Amino acid sequence: QVQLVESGGGVVQPGGSLRLSCAASGFTFAEYGMHWVRQAPGQGLEWVTFIQNDGSDKHYADSVKGRFTVSRDNSGNTVSLQMDSLRGDDTAVYYCAMDSGWRDWGQGTLVTVSS
Amino acid sequence: DIVMTQTPLSSPVMLGQPASISCRSTQSLAHSDGNTYLSWLHQRPGQSPRLLIYKISNRVPGVPDRFSGSGAGTDFTLRISRVEAEDVGIYYCAQATQFPYAFGQGTKLEIK
Repeated sequence: QVQLVESGGGVVQPGGSLRLSCAASGFTFAEYGMHWVRQAPGQGLEWVTFIQNDGSDKHYADSVKGRFTVSRDNSGNTVSLQMDSLRGDDTAVYYCAMDSGWRDWGQGTLVTVSS
Repeated sequence: DIVMTQTPLSSPVMLGQPASISCRSTQSLAHSDGNTYLSWLHQRPGQSPRLLIYKISNRVPGVPDRFSGSGAGTDFTLRISRVEAEDVGIYYCAQATQFPYAFGQGTKLEIK
């Protein structure tokens, strides 16, 4: 079955950088687009970014545009999120999700931006 | 950008009673391919969201038939015919018709 496992979360200072990864298995990774969605503590879900199955098309939320970069490695079945110029309001659990109509999600990885 | 607005934000319901959540979008969610990409998800504390309904009214296999979705265009509704204890948590509508994708603010369902 589909398995999505995020990693790379942690504590980072404001202005710092962090790179998240999502390891995918149980499906033909190269056939599906992938999303990152985040959830600030006690808050709702916020869509962050999408990358097309072949990496040719990417979309970002305005809140992260110019600071976050999504990429993927279809040979390694991973999607990554490079987060730069991090701010306090980027503190959240970050989920990767398969572009399957929101059917498949990872367990999330917590990013805390704090000095 | 499409904004999704859910009402109510909190819904105390007695066990066995019905519940209803409304979701309104600022633009029609009808896609040029003929589909309407409006989904409903459920999230329990400490868990990842779980898809319940996709394309307005299609229940995911394994989701109890007490859950139903309806609507069109910009107005959508999730109904639970008889609330059970396991239904507590937060419900989100989500649109995947147009980028940037968006979620509603969430509706907290609790037992009265």
